[in-house]
Amino acid sequence: GDSVTQMEGPVTLSEEAFLTINCTYTATGYPSLFWYVQYPGEGLQLLLKATKADDKGSNKGFEATYRKETTSFHLEKGSVQVSDSAVYFCSFGNEKLTFGTGTRLTIIP
Amino acid sequence: DTAVSQTPKYLVTQMGNDKSIKCEQNLGHDTMYWYKQDSKKFLKIMFSYNNKELIINETVPNRFSPKSPDKAHLNLHINSLELGDSAVYFCASRPGLGQGLAKNIQYFGAGTRLSVL
Repeated sequence: GDSVTQMEGPVTLSEEAFLTINCTYTATGYPSLFWYVQYPGEGLQLLLKATKADDKGSNKGFEATYRKETTSFHLEKGSVQVSDSAVYFCSFGNEKLTFGTGTRLTIIP
Repeated sequence: DTAVSQTPKYLVTQMGNDKSIKCEQNLGHDTMYWYKQDSKKFLKIMFSYNNKELIINETVPNRFSPKSPDKAHLNLHINSLELGDSAVYFCASRPGLGQGLAKNIQYFGAGTRLSVL
């Protein structure tokens, strides 16, 4: 069945470090892919998305590329900040979204 | 103005009670959802309504009954609460067909933390 596998956390990095959070998916067809972010005490917010193969989504310095051949959508950022500390969710779908288990990211000064 | 608003933000209650969580969106979206997020942050869809009609029901116990009086509201009523119902419940909405290019993006409320004692 449909599923998302993402890197288990928690992940702790120093400020300005390079970030990668891996995400792979199993789905029928070619769904849209998303990264959502949940800051402490808040709901999920869309961080970025890609709707077709080789599309790159980007926002706030984060990037992810839709890789059809590896069914992956890894999240990257070149230099993280303390304010990036949150839980990150990889997801896919159209009318119905399937989410990964979330990766808690903590950035220390 | 908050796009998707849920009330209450926190709900503490005893086992066996009946409670409701309300959700309203002012985005003009056709589709609304309820999700449950457990203590490990795993997020799972429960229901989806499109223009007041149920379109997704993910084998949720029938103690959970969503109600959509109009397309801007999707409330969640829970009967005979159990300890395992303790979680954070998120409401979300999404544009429908013909409502713009961003029809796959879901907008989430801030969540309702339910604690069953």
